[in-house]
Parts: sequence; C-alpha cells; structure tokens
Amino acid sequence: KNEVEQSPQNLTAQEGEFITINCSYSVGISALHWLQQHPGGGIVSLFMLSSGKKKHGRLIATINIQEKHSSLHITASHPRDSAVYICAVSSSYNTDKLIFGTGTRLQVFP
Amino acid sequence: EAGVTQFPSHSVIEKGQTVTLRCDPISGHDNLYWYRRVMGKEIKFLLHFVKESKQDESGMPNNRFLAERTGGTYSTLKVQPAELEDSGVYFCASSQEGPGWGSYGYTFGSGTRLTVV
Repeated sequence: KNEVEQSPQNLTAQEGEFITINCSYSVGISALHWLQQHPGGGIVSLFMLSSGKKKHGRLIATINIQEKHSSLHITASHPRDSAVYICAVSSSYNTDKLIFGTGTRLQVFP
Repeated sequence: EAGVTQFPSHSVIEKGQTVTLRCDPISGHDNLYWYRRVMGKEIKFLLHFVKESKQDESGMPNNRFLAERTGGTYSTLKVQPAELEDSGVYFCASSQEGPGWGSYGYTFGSGTRLTVV
C-alpha cells in the first residue's frame, strides 16, 4: 500500500462544477504539497501546507493533520484546469525526500 | 529567471544502449533532485545532491544508474546499459539551500521521457 493515496484516480466534470480531490497519507509529515501537471508539461507547485487552509484564486487546499488527510478544491472549474493533480508529502524523518501519490487525472469539458 | 531545464525532452533507445540525461537547475539552487515516474506508477525519488555532493541516493534502482553533478551546477543521469524497465519520465527539481521541501519550494523541470525498446 502506497504511503500517499489519492482519490479519485480519474475525474471528469462540466465547466463550472466544484471539484474535490482527496489525499490521505500514512506517515508523519513536515509538509504536504499539491502539484499540477498539464499534458506534456512540467510539474508546477500549487500549494505547500503544514496546517489549515490555503487559497489561491479558484484553488483551495486544506489539511487535517490529525486525520492525515488533505483536499484540493477547484471552484468554478474551467477546461484549462484539465491536468493531473498530484499530492506529495515530505516526511518528518526525511524532509528532503518527497513521497508522491499516483495523481488524479482531471478533465473539465465545456 | 530561467527555470529548471532538462534535455533531451524525449529519448528512444534500444535495450543495452547508453543514455545520458541532463538537468540544469535554477542558478544558485544548491539542492538538486532526480525523480522518476514509470508507467502507471507514482513518481519516486532517485537521489538528492547538495551542491556537488550526493546527499541521498537511496532511490537509485541499481548500479546501471550513475548521477553526477560536476562543480555543483548541472547534473547528468546516465543509464548504462539501459533495460526495458528503465522506461519512464525522469524529472529533475531544484530548490534553494534549506531543509528541503518542507520549508522551501521546489521547481521542477519538464522531464525527459525515456523509452527503451
């Protein structure tokens, strides 16, 4: 079982829908990261969280340290949000080594 | 500011051949990381350089993989001889000096897609 699990693996939505991607982890962490990868593109860091909630534009990331769970929300989704969203953690025993989830492939249709 | 640059972007080689991947980190970033994603699997850590020194190479699959970072600038990852299971996307990332991801952001390159046939 992977130390970082994401759900769902694939997600389709209509433009304008509210989207939630979930991430659960089983290790102690120093931080959790949400990353985005567009088809054929590089990986872009969206958020780095160690507690609470962060918001950037239409994206919101939350984390519950006690439950070892994080969510990424996209409000008013748009076709340009179509990408793979990846959850990754830096463990508390080795902050330099990221542990990745398998990613969630999101497609938003007009 | 230039980002993290990787090349080639794609490489197709035959089993048994040698391939060298290159990563140019952001200027001034002491930390350089190599990660790999094989088909259908999550991205996995390969190794971490601090300047020219290997800080952690626990993720290197076997001795067919050799990473170097001459002078603490760009890094190369050589696979010799390549096997079919080495196919995947190899990502490089860099960060400023610090305790790592936990405190400082990473910048990833676009990756090198390696196909071994």
